[in-house]
Amino acid sequence: AQKVTQAQTEISVVEKEDVTLDCVYETRDTTYYLFWYKQPPSGELVFLIRRNSFDEQNEISGRYSWNFQKSTSSFNFTITASQVVDSAVYFCALTINNNDMRFGAGTRLTVKP
Amino acid sequence: NAGVTQTPKFQVLKTGQSMTLQCAQDMNHEYMSWYRQDPGMGLRLIHYSVGAGITDQGEVPNGYNVSRSTTEDFPLRLLSAAPSQTSVYFCASSYSKVLAKNIQYFGAGTRLSVL
Repeated sequence: AQKVTQAQTEISVVEKEDVTLDCVYETRDTTYYLFWYKQPPSGELVFLIRRNSFDEQNEISGRYSWNFQKSTSSFNFTITASQVVDSAVYFCALTINNNDMRFGAGTRLTVKP
Repeated sequence: NAGVTQTPKFQVLKTGQSMTLQCAQDMNHEYMSWYRQDPGMGLRLIHYSVGAGITDQGEVPNGYNVSRSTTEDFPLRLLSAAPSQTSVYFCASSYSKVLAKNIQYFGAGTRLSVL
């Protein structure tokens, strides 16, 4: 079975603070893909990143960075110097070699000015 | 670029009514899917299709039917709506039929209330 757990239901920070969103996944497969999506207040899901199970390199894209650790089955997402526009619900998701994507419950991030 | 288009954006139904949620994509994507989003549960896959004429069930298929007669369209049918189907529904598409590797592009969602 595959499962994604996002233990943080809601996080509130003040602008310019750094914030890390946690994602823990479960799968028995050795080949899998992990994703992060952002859902702003408008409602549409926006793709942020994809990572395959053989690539444990961390990635940085502007203020966003991702830390993938197979040893702890985690794929955490950090926003540096948060901004009000980062306020959204963030979803972590997992697929294996089938056509089923499993999402975590999501973390609602509120960035206050 | 239209991307993935869902209609309607909002709908209110009475228990027992039927309706079809429409989804269309203009990216010539092979893979299309329907999810429902409920508070505290993230998105759950209802049905998906890897090409015209091919559909399969996801995690929560009961109460929903789908068909895929063209590459572009993937409607979701509720045959007899129940209050438990009150949710936000998202349609998504992906270039490759092998979902695992590919990015899904999502529509704006349909908010459905069943009274």
